Amino acid sequence: QSVLTQPPSVSAAPGQKVTISCSGSSSSIGNNYVSWYQQFPGTAPKLLIYENNKRPSGIPDRFSGSKSDTSATLGITGLQTGDEADYYCATWERKVFGSGTKVTVL
Amino acid sequence: EVQLVESGGDLVQPGGSLRLSCAASGFIFSHYWMSWVRQAPGKGLEWVANVKPDGSDKDYVDSVKGRFTISRDNAKNSLYLQMSSLRDEDTGVYYCATERVWSFDSWGQGTLVTVS
Repeated sequence: QSVLTQPPSVSAAPGQKVTISCSGSSSSIGNNYVSWYQQFPGTAPKLLIYENNKRPSGIPDRFSGSKSDTSATLGITGLQTGDEADYYCATWERKVFGSGTKVTVL
Repeated sequence: EVQLVESGGDLVQPGGSLRLSCAASGFIFSHYWMSWVRQAPGKGLEWVANVKPDGSDKDYVDSVKGRFTISRDNAKNSLYLQMSSLRDEDTGVYYCATERVWSFDSWGQGTLVTVS
């Protein structure tokens, strides 16, 4: 059982927005950078967000990250069918990953 | 372009040993911390181990301490994971990844380890 809790699944229609929460504690999320990863079935994860809210080169600005004291959030706007994937948060302290969230485009 | 290519995954009996390799290219390997991350079938991601650029510092998740050893050869641009006393729960895809900007910023395609 991960110390970072994510909803198992979220869904929305194409063009809509989804948010994925990542809930931890002051010791896990509060004092550490959060990163987010996208994983399609059968493929390696891909970095989406680092240092809480920064996007690597090539990641569209439809993806955004934010963090508060004990939780972090990944937002995806203008949802596309190609966004259907699993998404994981992670904190750098002890390098813990969240439980993962499956995004479904209705 | 960063490229990480894992190899060495196989079917092994419980209690057995296996050595995974990760060949790196497209970046200055000796400058980066490197990690192994695994994923059990149908499950989430789990960080396994990491090693400092010069190999002098290593860390492991508690469940593999004393059984797994991470190492690197900067002259060969290669990362390794020596796994021993393998258990059923070690089954999964093992990825090597670079550590940068407090994240795992590049990943290999993974290699499958099956303990059965």
